[in-house]
Amino acid sequence: ETGVTQTPRHLVMGMTNKKSLKCEQHLGHNAMYWYKQSAKKPLELMFVYNFKEQTENNSVPSRFSPECPNSSHLFLHLHTLQPEDSALYLCASSQADSRGNQPQHFGDGTRLSIL
Amino acid sequence: AQTVTQSQPEMSVQEAETVTLSCTYDTSESDYYLFWYKQPPSRQMILVIRQEAYKQQNATENRFSVNFQKAAKSFSLKISDSQLGDAAMYFCAYRNGGATNKLIFGTGTLLAVQP
Repeated sequence: ETGVTQTPRHLVMGMTNKKSLKCEQHLGHNAMYWYKQSAKKPLELMFVYNFKEQTENNSVPSRFSPECPNSSHLFLHLHTLQPEDSALYLCASSQADSRGNQPQHFGDGTRLSIL
Repeated sequence: AQTVTQSQPEMSVQEAETVTLSCTYDTSESDYYLFWYKQPPSRQMILVIRQEAYKQQNATENRFSVNFQKAAKSFSLKISDSQLGDAAMYFCAYRNGGATNKLIFGTGTLLAVQP
């Protein structure tokens, strides 16, 4: 049990579909993250939320739309995706403080395949 | 901009032997943190060990230890008495000090453990 739960575990969708990825953390953290993991590339930070406010958008295309209704839940809404968007999407959470030194805890990811 | 480089895409070690995974990074900051994460086939990213740049003493966690060479900007991971369960992708990661919580990852090293 990681404390960070992601659903679904696998998702196959067409380029015209709309779907959402869900992340829930049970650790009492105040920061949540979305990462994209593609083969042979470093993990790419997509979005950061601190206290439900988006503090980082790493030049992510608008076809990815994050939502953070509270500090325990994070969504990634997907629409009109491209084949190159196929990847493992990882959610993480951490307790952010003035020193920023608390480690991030990751979920198991959603494996997304775009047809 | 900070970068993290892992020059070994794959490594192999015999069970019970010792293996060292390499990581170098580039930064102009003096206050930062370094991490090693493990990602087994289950996909969950697990924190293995972390090092604060201001600490001269190398971090150790049971069979895992680091060789932190700040001047050389090197942060290698040593796994002693390797076990079959150590087989995984290992990622080196960097974060600036202060309030930021943005992690920068390397491309990873795939470690195989031979029985």
